Amino acid sequence: DAGITQSPRYKITETGRQVTLMCHQTWSHSYMFWYRQDLGHGLRLIYYSAAADITDKGEVPDGYVVSRSKTENFPLTLESATRSQTSVYFCASESNAAGDREQYFGPGTRLTVT
Amino acid sequence: GENVEQHPSTLSVQEGDSAVIKCTYSDSASNYFPWYKQELGKRPQLIIDIRSNVGEKKDQRIAVTLNKTAKHFSLHITETQPEDSAVYFCAASKKSNFGNEKLTFGTGTRLTIIP
Repeated sequence: DAGITQSPRYKITETGRQVTLMCHQTWSHSYMFWYRQDLGHGLRLIYYSAAADITDKGEVPDGYVVSRSKTENFPLTLESATRSQTSVYFCASESNAAGDREQYFGPGTRLTVT
Repeated sequence: GENVEQHPSTLSVQEGDSAVIKCTYSDSASNYFPWYKQELGKRPQLIIDIRSNVGEKKDQRIAVTLNKTAKHFSLHITETQPEDSAVYFCAASKKSNFGNEKLTFGTGTRLTIIP
C-alpha cells in the first residue's frame, strides 16, 4: 500500500484559488489515473495517463489540468477551484504487465472548497 | 459511453447469512469486471474480478457471476462476518487506445452486517 501516496491528505481552499493535488507511485507503473468520489456518483474518472507526457480525458475533466513529466508523479491541478469540486480525490496506478489489469488506489485527498 | 447501474444502494444482512449485489452494464465491448471494497475512510481495494471469457469465479467466501448476454454481473458473499461491512463498488471496463483499463464504476452498495 505504501507504493502509491497522495498529498495533501486534507485541503481546504477558497473559491477561485488554484490548488494542486500530488500523486506519487514507486512501482514504476505505466498508467496513472485521477478519480473523484462523490456521494451518489461512485468513482468518476477525471484524467488518465499512459506514460510521461501522454494524458487523456476521462468522464469529468472540466476544470482540471494534469501533467506527467516523470513516470512516478501525476499531479492534478484545479486552476480556479469551485464549490462543486469539493470531493474526495483518488489517484490510482496500473501496471502494463501482461495479464495484470488491477488498478491500485492511493489513500485519497479530501478537498473542501469554501 | 459505458453506464453501470448497481443495486441495492444499501443492504443489511444478519451475520452468517448471504449477501448479493447486482450490476448491469451497457457497453457490450466491456470485458473486465472488478469489484472493489471500501471501508470507511479508506481507499478502494480490489476483492475479486472476472473477465468476459469466464462465467463464474470464486475466492473463499466471495464469488462473482457474469451473464454477458444479459449484461449483468453479481457479487455473492456467503457466511457474512462483521468485517464484511463496507461499501462495495462494481465496475465495467475495456481497454483504452493506450492499453490501460477504463473503469466505469457503479454508485456503490453500503453493506451492513448485523451481529
